[in-house]
Formats: sequence, C-alpha cells, structure tokens
Amino acid sequence: DTAVSQTPKYLVTQMGNDKSIKCEQNLGHDTMYWYKQDSKKFLKIMFSYNNKELIINETVPNRFSPKSPDKAHLNLHINSLELGDSAVYFCASSQTPRLDTQYFGPGTRLTVL
Amino acid sequence: AQSVTQPDIHITVSEGASLELRCNYSYGATPYLFWYVQSPGQGLQLLLKYFSGDTLVQGIKGFEAEFKRSQSSFNLRKPSVHWSDAAEYFCAVGAVNTGFQKLVFGTGTRLLVSP
Repeated sequence: DTAVSQTPKYLVTQMGNDKSIKCEQNLGHDTMYWYKQDSKKFLKIMFSYNNKELIINETVPNRFSPKSPDKAHLNLHINSLELGDSAVYFCASSQTPRLDTQYFGPGTRLTVL
Repeated sequence: AQSVTQPDIHITVSEGASLELRCNYSYGATPYLFWYVQSPGQGLQLLLKYFSGDTLVQGIKGFEAEFKRSQSSFNLRKPSVHWSDAAEYFCAVGAVNTGFQKLVFGTGTRLLVSP
C-alpha cells in the first residue's frame, strides 16, 4: 500500500541520453514535488505542482521538464543527460501547497556515465 | 533567505545512550519545522513536525524535539538509542515562496550506533 511510489528505483545511462522518472501518489494529495539529493546528501527542491499546475520552479536547467498528467502523477523528463545530473531524485506530495507535511517516495538513483 | 544548519556531520552514540541532534534555522516568520530520517537506500520518513502550540513535540520511534524560538533551534532527542536508529537525519524548515511551500533542508547528520 505504497503512498508515494517512483519508477525506476535505479537508472544507469550514458551522457547525452534522454530519460524519464515517474512518480505516483495514492494519498489524494493536491501537491507534488521533485527534490534532488546530491552526492553529499544535500536535498534541494526542483519543482512543485498543484492540481497539475507548476507553482514552484527553482533554478533548474531547462533540460529538466516536469509533467503532471493528473494530480496523482508527476513525471520528470531529463534531456541530454550530463555527468552532474547523477543524483538521487525524490518525489514528494502534500495535501495542500501551503505549509503542510510532505511525504516522500523511495527515490530514484540516477547514474550518468 | 531561509536556511537550516546541522552542525554535526557525524555522531556516534552507544546503544542505550541518549541522543541529541542539533538543528538551527534562519527564517523571518514563524517557522514550520520538520525532522526526517533516511535509512540507507531508503526514502525520507517523517519523524515529527512543529507547526504551533506546545514547543515540545513527540514523534515516532520514541523521538522528540523542542522548538526554542530564542535560540532558533529545533533539536531532536531520544532517551535511549537502538541500533536500528543508525541513519541520516535531516532537519527542514517549511519556507513560503510566493505563497507556496518548499522545504529547505539542512545537510544532514549521520548517526552511527556502537554496540
């Protein structure tokens, strides 16, 4: 009965490729997020969507494009992958986009060779 | 700008001993504060949160944290550590950006538990 799930768990790819990570939540939440955790374990928000609309877009290269087909799903597509994109990407969700508890998925470890 | 400082990168505690992990925040308004735990290879699990009210909050797994506005701190405590508590602990502040929330995380503290 996973609340926030991500696929795949691991992703290994070559530089220059395009890849996608999928996220689904079954909590009935309105808001979803993508965070990046770098090799030093530092977590930083990338994007946030509320009811399929982009509400937070941090300083992220435009090679990263989030898409929310419905409010239970938030996918992350990355074009022209670079070595520096190697990280763990976490999806999260919250009931509202205001100050609220966020629930995290298990993470996707992306390795770019 | 909002920020969170966790001054201890690593902490080693003997099993059964007490634990305190430090967290200091910088935020202009009343903060929403969180502690998350990340076990190896796992996602983040919420331990506890402070939104308002009683400044001593209880969480899961026997953890508690105390919000001290005068010290801008939200330290995490546990009276008796178990080997299964070994993990990475993250403190975060819920910051409002153009009316919407984002979590600003500290750099984490790795807890090692010795037998």
